Amino acid sequence: GENVEQHPSTLSVQEGDSAVIKCTYSDSASNYFPWYKQELGKRPQLIIDIRSNVGEKKDQRIAVTLNKTAKHFSLHITETQPEDSAVYFCAASITGRRALTFGSGTRLQVQP
Amino acid sequence: EAQVTQNPRYLITVTGKKLTVTCSQNMNHEYMSWYRQDPGLGLRQIYYSMNVEVTDKGDVPEGYKVSRKEKRNFPLILESPSPNQTSLYFCASRSTSTDTQYFGPGTRLTVL
Repeated sequence: GENVEQHPSTLSVQEGDSAVIKCTYSDSASNYFPWYKQELGKRPQLIIDIRSNVGEKKDQRIAVTLNKTAKHFSLHITETQPEDSAVYFCAASITGRRALTFGSGTRLQVQP
Repeated sequence: EAQVTQNPRYLITVTGKKLTVTCSQNMNHEYMSWYRQDPGLGLRQIYYSMNVEVTDKGDVPEGYKVSRKEKRNFPLILESPSPNQTSLYFCASRSTSTDTQYFGPGTRLTVL
């Protein structure tokens, strides 16, 4: 089955800096890659996703890039703010197969 | 409002006392699943259901049961809970047209 590895497990940045979280996946058939943000005590919420027919997707300060050849995808957050502090999870799946396989999470801390 | 609901949100019980955590979604999603979240282990899938009366094991199904008698409901059953099932549980439902997965608010279970 699919295996998703996520790095780093913790990341501390200064407010205004950029943050990058990286994930690799094992199943070359995977074609859907969402990112979730989980604030303390809350449910994971989808923040951005990308499909394998696209190399990059942006939404304001958040962007995701996908390298299908290398089987890795990354989340980029620019101009970080204290409210970006949370745990971020990447995931991968195949459209038509309904299981999302999650990475182990990255705890991002933005220092004011 | 589109949502996934779970009940109870918090539960403390004792070893061996059967319990059920309910999950309901109002988005008419075919796909539903249960995850447990433990520190350092991310989100691990317990069971999933691709439609009414269709369920299958995820990565960590031991000690759990599920049923899917109606499209909107997907209860998680612990017939004889043990302390190693102390965890944070999330129900999720997923759109087959967009792949977007929505999580419930979570149930924090403690088994003494």
